[in-house]
Amino acid sequence: SQQGEEDPQALSIQEGENATMNCSYKTSINNLQWYRQNSGRGLVHLILIRSNEREKHSGRLRVTLDTSKKSSSLLITASRAADTASYFCATNTGNQFYFGTGTSLTVIP
Amino acid sequence: NAGVTQTPKFQVLKTGQSMTLQCAQDMNHEYMSWYRQDPGMGLRLIHYSVGAGITDQGEVPNGYNVSRSTTEDFPLRLLSAAPSQTSVYFCASSDRRDRASYGYTFGSGTRLTVV
Repeated sequence: SQQGEEDPQALSIQEGENATMNCSYKTSINNLQWYRQNSGRGLVHLILIRSNEREKHSGRLRVTLDTSKKSSSLLITASRAADTASYFCATNTGNQFYFGTGTSLTVIP
Repeated sequence: NAGVTQTPKFQVLKTGQSMTLQCAQDMNHEYMSWYRQDPGMGLRLIHYSVGAGITDQGEVPNGYNVSRSTTEDFPLRLLSAAPSQTSVYFCASSDRRDRASYGYTFGSGTRLTVV
């Protein structure tokens, strides 16, 4: 499988804390994306980082990419209860997008 | 602007039956794809299309057919349903001409149960 792997599988934090989740992948990529999925819903695109970028910010999100280690991390700062969801990384190689298995984040109010 | 519309939202099939999951997008996106999501497995790519008339297989294509006669529509056909095809199916599209972002827009999913 060319899927990425997220780590940890599950994460539980208090509201206001930062949440960090990691993604490792296997092949060379064009870009890497992070998505959020609320329970029973479709995925929502959060942020994209290209293979020639090392860090990207969007609001409370910070994404890093290390192509030498084939890994990425997603940091959510000052978490809120509404951030409770599953988070997936997706790698783009040519015409195909591969998703990881996801990190389930629970933010406790 | 409806985005990506999937129908039906829920479906129960008997083993051996066939059906078509519908997917339509109104964003003029070139790229469309189908995924299935199973617990602990993440999303796995079934088939994808880079434009009208062009389709290709993903990771788990067996038991599924697709066609892309128009830019808007990308139906997924289950030829002879099996219990192993019980899953949640997502259709997604992307505008690959937008170099700033190849982010997907997802439909809300079809929950399929095969008994």
